[in-house]
Amino acid sequence: DAGVIQSPRHEVTEMGQEVTLRCKPISGHNSLFWYRQTMMRGLELLIYFNNNVPIDDSGMPEDRFSAKMPNASFSTLKIQPSEPRDSAVYFCASSFWGGRVANVLTFGAGSRLTVL
Amino acid sequence: DAKTTQPTSMDCAEGRAANLPCNHSTISGNEYVYWYRQIHSQGPQYIIHGLKNNETNEMASLIITEDRKSSTLILPHATLRDTAVYYCIVREGTSYDKVIFGPGTSLSVIP
Repeated sequence: DAGVIQSPRHEVTEMGQEVTLRCKPISGHNSLFWYRQTMMRGLELLIYFNNNVPIDDSGMPEDRFSAKMPNASFSTLKIQPSEPRDSAVYFCASSFWGGRVANVLTFGAGSRLTVL
Repeated sequence: DAKTTQPTSMDCAEGRAANLPCNHSTISGNEYVYWYRQIHSQGPQYIIHGLKNNETNEMASLIITEDRKSSTLILPHATLRDTAVYYCIVREGTSYDKVIFGPGTSLSVIP
């Protein structure tokens, strides 16, 4: 298994531009999490899905952020319009939730976003 | 909010055991203790988890006190590659509830 795949690995954009980050979870996993990491705020949970349905988006900072999971193998996190304070590393993680199986998260390598 | 308390930073000599403590005094009966670590610039990596018994795998050992209010992650022979931030998390093992990371412990393994 190739693990959780995120793209792009690095993105540099200008303020006001739309940014789309992509995530392919591990095949068979049914939970997906989006995190943002900065030096000041650490690792913050933005939103998570279970069986493609958003369960909790209370961590999404504002309406400029949106996330979708159209199917079990793909999710996007979109920022429109982007601002310099959105600069961070964005991580996607997936896990299998089911019955008595321990719920272990597997993280992708992250997408480093710089908004100028 | 994170339900755990960890020291901000620790040092360990290379080749020695690294013992990383975690307090989780409000843990409930069906919550597990999970440990992850994050090496610089990489995504967090799962290490080990446990409910009430001590656990060991190829990476580390987890010692949970009898009252389950604290635990210790043990890296038996620390190497320079173990330098990382270590996160202790408590959550229901079979829940799809949110997974919240605290600031963790920054472990520096010194040659």
